[in-house]
Amino acid sequence: DAGVTQSPTHLIKTRGQHVTLRCSPISGHKSVSWYQQVLGQGPQFIFQYYEKEERGRGNFPDRFSARQFPNYSSELNVNALLLGDSALYLCASSFISGTANYEQYFGPGTRLTVT
Amino acid sequence: DAKTTQPPSMDCAEGRAANLPCNHSTISGNEYVYWYRQIHSQGPQYIIHGLKNNETNEMASLIITEDRKSSTLILPHATLRDTAVYYCIVRVGGAQKLVFGQGTRLTINP
Repeated sequence: DAGVTQSPTHLIKTRGQHVTLRCSPISGHKSVSWYQQVLGQGPQFIFQYYEKEERGRGNFPDRFSARQFPNYSSELNVNALLLGDSALYLCASSFISGTANYEQYFGPGTRLTVT
Repeated sequence: DAKTTQPPSMDCAEGRAANLPCNHSTISGNEYVYWYRQIHSQGPQYIIHGLKNNETNEMASLIITEDRKSSTLILPHATLRDTAVYYCIVRVGGAQKLVFGQGTRLTINP
């Protein structure tokens, strides 16, 4: 079975530009979460979407936004890029059923470099 | 902020058991202990999780103390491919947000 896929793999942008990152969850998973991992740090939670609605948001500015599509894939958008946005952006998907515990599966990430 | 404390780095000889400790002294009754690992610049990989009983799967064993304030991840026969950063995370059942700390950088030496 295919795991979580993300595109593109690598991306180079200039300060002030806008970027869109894409994620396809594992088949059957309806929850998608986004994380930012700056070099040398652990991943930091940005958003969680479930059934196309935002269910959680981390401490990130409004320049960061996301959405989830009817097929449960997701996009992360970042506007007005800053040098500090350079990071590995990770997507994770999970099956959800009530309050039961299901692990999250991470994709390989998109490496964003802002110059 | 992460609710766990881990040593920043550890070394282990190939073929030996690697024991990675984690302190989570403020853990709540409804929080699970999760372990993930991240091999260089790849996405984190789920290893194992538990609530209060010891758990074992094909990758590792998880030992949780009776008071649940600490736990140990055991890789029984470490190989070079186990070299990675290991993250210990506490998470409320059903919650999706994972709070990562700095993790433990485990190096397996030949």
